[in-house]
Parts: sequence; C-alpha cells; structure tokens
Amino acid sequence: GAGVSQSPSNKVTEKGKDVELRCDPISGHTALYWYRQSLGQGLEFLIYFQGNSAPDKSGLPSDRFSAERTGGSVSTLTIQRTQQEDSAVYLCASSLISGGANYGYTFGSGTRLTVV
Amino acid sequence: SQKIEQNSEALNIQEGKTATLTCNYTNYSPAYLQWYRQDPGRGPVFLLLIRENEKEKRKERLKVTFDTTLKQSLFHITASQPADSATYLCALGETGRRALTFGSGTRLQVQP
Repeated sequence: GAGVSQSPSNKVTEKGKDVELRCDPISGHTALYWYRQSLGQGLEFLIYFQGNSAPDKSGLPSDRFSAERTGGSVSTLTIQRTQQEDSAVYLCASSLISGGANYGYTFGSGTRLTVV
Repeated sequence: SQKIEQNSEALNIQEGKTATLTCNYTNYSPAYLQWYRQDPGRGPVFLLLIRENEKEKRKERLKVTFDTTLKQSLFHITASQPADSATYLCALGETGRRALTFGSGTRLQVQP
C-alpha cells in the first residue's frame, strides 16, 4: 500500500480482556517495528522483525505481550489480560532492509488503546 | 544510565525566525541520528538522517548538526512558518542495535 496501515485506530477494552492490534506495512519493506507512546512520552521500543530472522523481542514489557509477522508482511501485536497501564498509542513502522543507518522509518497513525 | 534529553517545554518563536531544537544524549554511542516530526494524532514522519562522520546535513529549510564530542544534535528550521508547528523527535541508532531509541520530543509553536 501507499503507507503503513494500522487497525483499529481506537480500541477501548475492559481490564483483563485480550486485544489484537494489526499493522500492514509498506509493500517491499522487510523491517517492521512496534513502539508504544504514552501521553507526553517518547516512543518506547517493543519488538522488531527483519525478514525471516528471529524477531528482537527485547522491548516487550511482560509476557502478556506477543507479536507475530505472517508471510513477512502483516503483523499482529497481542496483549493478553490487559491492564490499565497498557493504555497508550501503539505505533507500527516499517523500513527498507534494516533501516536507520540508511533509511528513515515510515510510521502508521497508531492504535489508541484505552483499558478501562 | 542512558538518557536522551530534548526540551520538555514548548519552544515559541515568531514566524520568519530560525527555530533551534536540541537533542542531548548520555551513555550512548550513536552511529547515526534521525529527526522526525509528529503532529497530534499522527505517527512520526521522517525528516533527516545524519551519520556520526557527518557534521551537518541540510534539506530545504532544515539543517541538522551532530557533535559526538558534545554528545549533541541541533535541529534548525530557517524562515519558520506556522505550518512548522509540531513536535519534533530525535532518535539515536547504535551499531548492533537494530531499532532506533527515541527522545520524548520538543513541541514547536510558530506564531504568525
């Protein structure tokens, strides 16, 4: 597609429920990143996928968080047994190869998650 | 501990002036640094990339400097316009670490 697409744009869920957030990266971008942004805070790295390599999960805050990327394209971030501190905007980005040193990231508009 | 510091207070300037935003870092050894613009309710948008062996990069009205001795990057917008009002984020990239580390951003407000 023309840009990185994330769905849903907004999600309100009850504490304890599971949620799935979806990211559709730019076609041809092999690197995919998940970050989250709390109000007034910087972006917190969660997980990184590059091609068929094992993902870098070093930023996942707890074992309630998991992510997968199917067929090297669409990615799903799953949060189990949601807590109020999980409320944030979850941002997905993609880049050519392993970006950063040569390319910028292209971000989606994010999913605003509210846990009540 | 590692820190990336950007002014948390908003920067207010008059239209036509040059805006200068600062990004300082501690206990990082970045191989490159990027700057992004973020508007409310939107994801960040990539602006410029500068590598550790580059002192300065320019793109239209934007200029970025990178001083590895001072551990600082400066981001300049010349002839600023109200449309430049947004939050600007710096992000560091280190060799061997594949994901960028972001600062919390500085909000710029350009008054007409």
